[in-house]
Amino acid sequence: GESVGLHLPTLSVQEGDNSIINCAYSNSASDYFIWYKQESGKGPQFIIDIRSNMDKRQGQRVTVLLNKTVKHLSLQIAATQPGDSAVYFCAENLRPSSGYSTLTFGKGTMLLVSP
Amino acid sequence: ETGVTQTPRHLVMGMTNKKSLKCEQHLGHNAMYWYKQSAKKPLELMFVYNFKEQTENNSVPSRFSPECPNSSHLFLHLHTLQPEDSALYLCASSQAQQLSNQPQHFGDGTRLSIL
Repeated sequence: GESVGLHLPTLSVQEGDNSIINCAYSNSASDYFIWYKQESGKGPQFIIDIRSNMDKRQGQRVTVLLNKTVKHLSLQIAATQPGDSAVYFCAENLRPSSGYSTLTFGKGTMLLVSP
Repeated sequence: ETGVTQTPRHLVMGMTNKKSLKCEQHLGHNAMYWYKQSAKKPLELMFVYNFKEQTENNSVPSRFSPECPNSSHLFLHLHTLQPEDSALYLCASSQAQQLSNQPQHFGDGTRLSIL
């Protein structure tokens, strides 16, 4: 089964609202997490990342929260804008005994922002 | 300007054709990746090259053949593809595969359609 998943496939918000996109992961050994944004016709674009020794990390208008107790990751977007409309993926990094890291991606959440 | 460039952006080919996808990264990275993105599915890792050596082949059919002549270039050679191979093929790069706390950076993909 999939180790990374998203609670909501589609999230619709009004411009100016704050958005929260959630992600659950199942592997407690994952040590690094990334959020990507994918606009139509483009590849995934790196937004923000967080290491497993942190609980919170802030960027420009975005905040990622990591709750290792319940294996939950969230992306908060402040003052959401129409340009934020896209599919958002979370990804977890696992480093097996071979030493080579691999990313596992969730299916994504579509964020729709209405003006 | 994207740090990872993929060509062509769109490709339509018959099942008996032979074509190649090209990826070039300008980020000074040493690891390069091929992913397949199908509708309503998470990103699927296909191949990984780390310092020009293949480190991952995720049970990909032999009709897909990767080539990595140097750390900046990655190819995916296609022959005798099937209709179910129609998808968006994404290339990514990262600093090195053994570094777990480094994000992968993606190109905009090649949209492949098999007739």
